[in-house]
Order: sequence, then structure tokens, then C-alpha cells
Amino acid sequence: GAVVSQHPSWVICKSGTSVKIECRSLDFQATTMFWYRQFPKQSLMLMATSNEGSKATYEQGVEKDKFLINHASLTLSTLTVTSAHPEDSSFYICSARPVEGQRYGYTFGSGTRLTVV
Amino acid sequence: QKEVEQDPGPLSVPEGAIVSLNCTYSNSAFQYFMWYRQYSRKGPELLMYTYSSGNKEDGRFTAQVDKSSKYISLFIRDSQPSDSATYLCAAQYSSASKIIFGSGTRLSIRP
Repeated sequence: GAVVSQHPSWVICKSGTSVKIECRSLDFQATTMFWYRQFPKQSLMLMATSNEGSKATYEQGVEKDKFLINHASLTLSTLTVTSAHPEDSSFYICSARPVEGQRYGYTFGSGTRLTVV
Repeated sequence: QKEVEQDPGPLSVPEGAIVSLNCTYSNSAFQYFMWYRQYSRKGPELLMYTYSSGNKEDGRFTAQVDKSSKYISLFIRDSQPSDSATYLCAAQYSSASKIIFGSGTRLSIRP
């Protein structure tokens, strides 16, 4: 089945530093990847949609200069949290939409827990 | 108003019981409906995927969609302690569009 790998699974960083999170589709190509944020006991909130080779589309209220998304290949998208602050601490999850084959429901990564101290 | 509404629970039932989880949605343009299971500190796992109204069964799980009332349900038969997780309902406008989630219901199955 389709597998999406997310790395790192957890990270602790100091306030003011930047953190990069990787999302890879391991056995399929993905034209589109989605980035979500989930606060404790809350639902997944879509942050942005990234398409291979083009600029990401951000949801309303999400700072594009703070959350940099790069989708340079059909198997890799990255999310960089720039100048992280404690309020950015959250669980970040990506999902990938296959180029072909089974497309419904998408496949989600296992998430990255970011803690900013 | 959220596009997909879900009672956050928590919901606690004894092992073997039938579990009923429900969601409502506001936008009649939604065509695809999903249920995901999420264990603590993990990504969501797709359980059921349904197009338009109707029922879909997979093992102990049954998903129902009633578009006339904008109501989505998931039934779990013979519930097991391993079913303890957060269950998220979700909807899409098309099979290629973004997925919009409900807030999730925390379910606990007591042995």
C-alpha cells in the first residue's frame, strides 16, 4: 500500500531558530501534498496545499513567510517553520495525493511533534 | 459555523458493544465522505471512504451517509479495546480536493 514517511517524528528547538520537516511518498509519486497542524485534542487544520514544481497555496490565516513549503519533486515536500516561537509548538502532519492509482482518502504521514522552548 | 461538526466526546463503552459515531456537515457541495482513526501521536489512518449517500460495510465497520440531512455515521460492531482511538470524520468536494476534518471523537473501549 501507499506509504508516506515523515521526518523527524519529533523535534525540540530553541525559540528563534528554524526547523525543517520532510514528507516523502515512498512507493508512489505525488503531485500534491497537504500540510496540516493539529493542536492537542483538536482536529487537523489544513495549512497549505503544495503542488510539485509550483508555489504552495496557503489557507486563510496561515503566514506563508513563516511556514515555507517546497515541493521540489514528485516524492518530497518540505515544511520549514522559520523563526519558531513557543506558539508554533504543535503536531504537524502531511498527506500525499498519488499521481495515479488509488486516490481516495489520501495517505497521511505519522506526524512530527514540534516543541519550541 | 464549522464545515464539518463532530461531538468531541469522550465516549466510553464496554467491550463488545456497538459504537455509533456521528457528524454533520453544512455544505451540500461535499460529495466524498471519510472516516479516519487516529491513535495518540500518530497520523490518521483511513477506515472508510464513501461517495454520496448510502451505506458501506467493511468487516466490523459500517459507514452511512445521508445527504438529505447532511449526516455522516460510523458504526463499529463487536468493539474491541484496540478500537480505542480518536475517530475523525471528513469530507471532500471532489476526490482530488482538500480534505476537511471534523474535530474528532475520542473513543475508549473498556475491557
